[in-house]
Amino acid sequence: KQEVTQIPAALSVPEGENLVLNCSFTDSAIYNLQWFRQDPGKGLTSLLLIQSSQREQTSGRLNASLDKSSGRSTLYIAASQPGDSATYLCISGGSNYKLTFGKGTLLTVNP
Amino acid sequence: DTAVSQTPKYLVTQMGNDKSIKCEQNLGHDTMYWYKQDSKKFLKIMFSYNNKELIINETVPNRFSPKSPDKAHLNLHINSLELGDSAVYFCASGDFQETQYFGPGTRLLVL
Repeated sequence: KQEVTQIPAALSVPEGENLVLNCSFTDSAIYNLQWFRQDPGKGLTSLLLIQSSQREQTSGRLNASLDKSSGRSTLYIAASQPGDSATYLCISGGSNYKLTFGKGTLLTVNP
Repeated sequence: DTAVSQTPKYLVTQMGNDKSIKCEQNLGHDTMYWYKQDSKKFLKIMFSYNNKELIINETVPNRFSPKSPDKAHLNLHINSLELGDSAVYFCASGDFQETQYFGPGTRLLVL
């Protein structure tokens, strides 16, 4: 049974800092891995999707990597801004449309 | 232009009542999902439908029954509501191995 763990559970950084969020998963037989953000009281917004055949994806200041052999993914945020404050979720996609969610990292970027 | 919409956004009701949450997507996806986010912000999948056919049915009480009249709609009906059903329920849609798009969530409070 797939388990997804995110470290740290919470992170507070000053504006402008580069940061890394970590995600690990126990079953490397994944189809893809997604990173989402969740803003308080709102739904989830997809940030990046990495297919199992890919190593990384980039969108603006965000870069996500995937290492299936070690069961790890990282989300790198460059030059963080207060608007980046949110909960970031790592979600692995397995067979039969099944998704397994991490518990998220609560990020606070202080002005 | 909302991609995935849910109604209602808030639902406050008494124990024992029956309630429904509706979900609609205009993205043309074949697959729709229901997730539950508990008080600790942990997301878990409940159901998934692909082209009106149930493909994921996690360990959920029988009081919860999804219904998909067509592939653009997936409604969630809950019978005999209990205090522990209080949570945020998210609907999502997406094709296999592709990004999932989430609705804004329905905040259910059972008194």
